[in-house]
Amino acid sequence: DADVTQTPRNRITKTGKRIMLECSQTKGHDRMYWYRQDPGLGLRLIYYSFDVKDINKGEISDGYSVSRQAQAKFSLSLESAIPNQTALYFCATSTSGRAGETQYFGPGTRLLVL
Amino acid sequence: GDSVTQMEGPVTLSEEAFLTINCTYTATGYPSLFWYVQYPGEGLQLLLKATKADDKGSNKGFEATYRKETTSFHLEKGSVQVSDSAVYFCALHWRTGGFKTIFGAGTRLFVKA
Repeated sequence: DADVTQTPRNRITKTGKRIMLECSQTKGHDRMYWYRQDPGLGLRLIYYSFDVKDINKGEISDGYSVSRQAQAKFSLSLESAIPNQTALYFCATSTSGRAGETQYFGPGTRLLVL
Repeated sequence: GDSVTQMEGPVTLSEEAFLTINCTYTATGYPSLFWYVQYPGEGLQLLLKATKADDKGSNKGFEATYRKETTSFHLEKGSVQVSDSAVYFCALHWRTGGFKTIFGAGTRLFVKA
């Protein structure tokens, strides 16, 4: 079984709809991250969480919110989706400390906003 | 500001050819440097890393050396295989001053049999 799972893997939605992307991990890591990937732009950080009570904005948090329901679960919500949020979204995890530099990524969720 | 620049792809090579994918960076402080690989339909996975100047990271025949004097971390492999076809991302990560990671735009590699 995969260590970092994301659901759904693909999603099509309409402008203005609220959607949630979910991430679960069995690695026992305390840190979790949400990124989006756009062609030619690499990955950009949306939000990150170092433990259950810790939520931090990343480079491009506008239009997104997150919830860290448990150490193993980190959800990303688009309150009112817009077409320029069409992208590939990745969840990632890491440990704390020096070893935490390496991030472990889920398979991604491909989102299309019409 | 801090940034990472990778060579544009796609890079197309024949099997057993020598590979170089260039990565240069601008950074304050002393980041660790990474190469991640993304195979079709999958998330990124760590390929190799180097945490300080002159360190060499290596894995699966790939290697890269942290060159502070030229601010570079070029990825090399002596003989590529079809199975190396993927997108390769150079990334920087700072351990101090909060969390910060910057990814390059990625370089797509195609290897022909």
